[in-house]
Amino acid sequence: NAGVMQNPRHLVRRRGQEARLRCSPMKGHSHVYWYRQLPEEGLKFMVYLQKENIIDESGMPKERFSAEFPKEGPSILRIQQVVRGDSAAYFCASSPLAGFFNEQFFGPGTRLTVL
Amino acid sequence: TQLLEQSPQFLSIQEGENLTVYCNSSSVFSSLQWYRQEPGEGPVLLVTVVTGGEVKKLKRLTFQFGDARKDSSLHITADQPGDTGLYLCAGSNNDMRFGAGTRLTVKP
Repeated sequence: NAGVMQNPRHLVRRRGQEARLRCSPMKGHSHVYWYRQLPEEGLKFMVYLQKENIIDESGMPKERFSAEFPKEGPSILRIQQVVRGDSAAYFCASSPLAGFFNEQFFGPGTRLTVL
Repeated sequence: TQLLEQSPQFLSIQEGENLTVYCNSSSVFSSLQWYRQEPGEGPVLLVTVVTGGEVKKLKRLTFQFGDARKDSSLHITADQPGDTGLYLCAGSNNDMRFGAGTRLTVKP
């Protein structure tokens, strides 16, 4: 049973370009969470999605950031017109059950570098 | 400011020593989780505590949830180099908030 998969593992973009981060949850998991981690900091919650629905996007910046989890295929975190401050590790986690108190299984992360 | 304060931020000890790291908050959480994260990887869940005063043991690791469900501690006995990593606590209510972590290095 494969774990949570994220790709790419490393992504380099120039300022103003778009970044697309993909997350394939564990088999049977319909809940996906995205987090951002800056160096020397903990993870900061961005968005919680269930298949085809955004449940909670309170941690996601209102501009330039969007997320989706379609019926088929991986969850996508999209960052438009990237800026240097977007450089961070982005982790997704999946869970078979709803609610933050249930165990979340994390992927290996995508490290985004904006030049 | 961090909702969850973890201390110490950095800790370097010799193999075989014991240590305790702390996770403190002014907020009450319905549950609290501890994770370990290795460089270049995602966090891996170690334990979830839900009841005030609860103590859980996982081999050489002992986790305690404060009576008021605002704080927690992690005690590691006879540390081994394989324990090296970033230890994160996370409290959950309607969302999940992470502390900044304690970065532990165990020297052989």
